[in-house]
Amino acid sequence: DVQMTQSPSTLSASVGDRVTITCRASQTITYWLAWYQQKPGKAPKLLISKASILQSGVPSRFSGSGSGTEFTLTISSLQSDDSAIYYCQQYNTYFPTFGQGTKVEIK
Amino acid sequence: EVQLVESGGGLVNPGGSLRLSCAASGFTFSSYTMNWVRQAPGKGLEWVSSSSVSPSYTYYTNSVVGRFTISRDSAKNSLYLQMSNLRDEDTAIYYCARDLGGANRYFDLWGQGTLVTVSS
Repeated sequence: DVQMTQSPSTLSASVGDRVTITCRASQTITYWLAWYQQKPGKAPKLLISKASILQSGVPSRFSGSGSGTEFTLTISSLQSDDSAIYYCQQYNTYFPTFGQGTKVEIK
Repeated sequence: EVQLVESGGGLVNPGGSLRLSCAASGFTFSSYTMNWVRQAPGKGLEWVSSSSVSPSYTYYTNSVVGRFTISRDSAKNSLYLQMSNLRDEDTAIYYCARDLGGANRYFDLWGQGTLVTVSS
């Protein structure tokens, strides 16, 4: 299985800050990577597919980049509504795997 | 409305069985690969199983092979997960999720989840 490792596990930032989450794959996954946002008690929500394609309706402050084994999710100007856990997911193989999650807290 | 609605969760003894259902509406069910993804209490997401239509295949994560069976009924626009020989570590919220299949195996639509608790 492809192992996905996110860092940091938790981050605390202020409204307006630029925030970056990193996701590393144990082997190359080209650009077959998605990012999700999950708020407490809710199902995950797809933010980005194919490493950098923003889904319809997702605010433009979210962006994704990377290829191969290293990927980033960036929130350009953090908003209070962005408080959530963020997961990366590889889909390079028939067995999708997720990162362990990054909790974003608002100071 | 495009949605997935899970049902069938509950409390079950270790070694017991349970069948989860997922009712799809608002989209062409047969055009999508359907999945079960679970989340143990306070933990991250874990893909469990997939079912595609064309080509027809089913896949499972290693820990449920031989115990869980995924199936779908296109006439009823429904996905199922038959779970047997349940273990404590199967306790989780089980989400139904769709993907486009092929190279697009990301999950663009999720249900609200159904909680399975395995405990004596």
